[in-house]
Amino acid sequence: GENVEQHPSTLSVQEGDSAVIKCTYSDSASNYFPWYKQELGKRPQLIIDIRSNVGEKKDQRIAVTLNKTAKHFSLHITETQPEDSAVYFCAASPPGAGSYQLTFGKGTKLSVIP
Amino acid sequence: GAVVSQHPSWVICKSGTSVKIECRSLDFQATTMFWYRQFPKQSLMLMATSNEGSKATYEQGVEKDKFLINHASLTLSTLTVTSAHPEDSSFYICSARDRLVNEQFFGPGTRLTVL
Repeated sequence: GENVEQHPSTLSVQEGDSAVIKCTYSDSASNYFPWYKQELGKRPQLIIDIRSNVGEKKDQRIAVTLNKTAKHFSLHITETQPEDSAVYFCAASPPGAGSYQLTFGKGTKLSVIP
Repeated sequence: GAVVSQHPSWVICKSGTSVKIECRSLDFQATTMFWYRQFPKQSLMLMATSNEGSKATYEQGVEKDKFLINHASLTLSTLTVTSAHPEDSSFYICSARDRLVNEQFFGPGTRLTVL
């Protein structure tokens, strides 16, 4: 099955700096890669996603890049703010798994220091 | 739109009892719902995939007789933890796939504590 590795596990940045979180996946057939933000005790919230026919996608301060050849994708947050502090999860969904079954990375705890 | 609710939000029970958790898609039809378990400071681990009108598909290592899943309608799936034990204490989160937009939406989670 799919295996998703996520790095780093923790990340501290100064407010205003950029944060980058990287994930690799094992199944070359995976074609959907969402990123979720989860605050303590709350549900994961989709913040951005990318599909395998696209190399990069941006939404305001958040961007995701995908390298299909290397089987890795990254989340970029620019001009970080304290409210960006949370745990971020990447995920991958292989086709044929039916219904967009997601395999999650282990998460990255992002701390933005004011 | 795309709201998923879970009930209860938290539950405390005695060891050996059964607990039922409901997951509802409030404003869309979900042919597929997923059940995850999340231990403190860990990732979401998929337990099972629930398809409306058919048996759930369980991930390796998840006991289907202990975690009973029923997906009786396009808006409701239930997870019953039977004969719960302290090691079953966890945060259980469901998600529902909106077939029109091909995206999963998560419920708020249920905190289960087994004494």
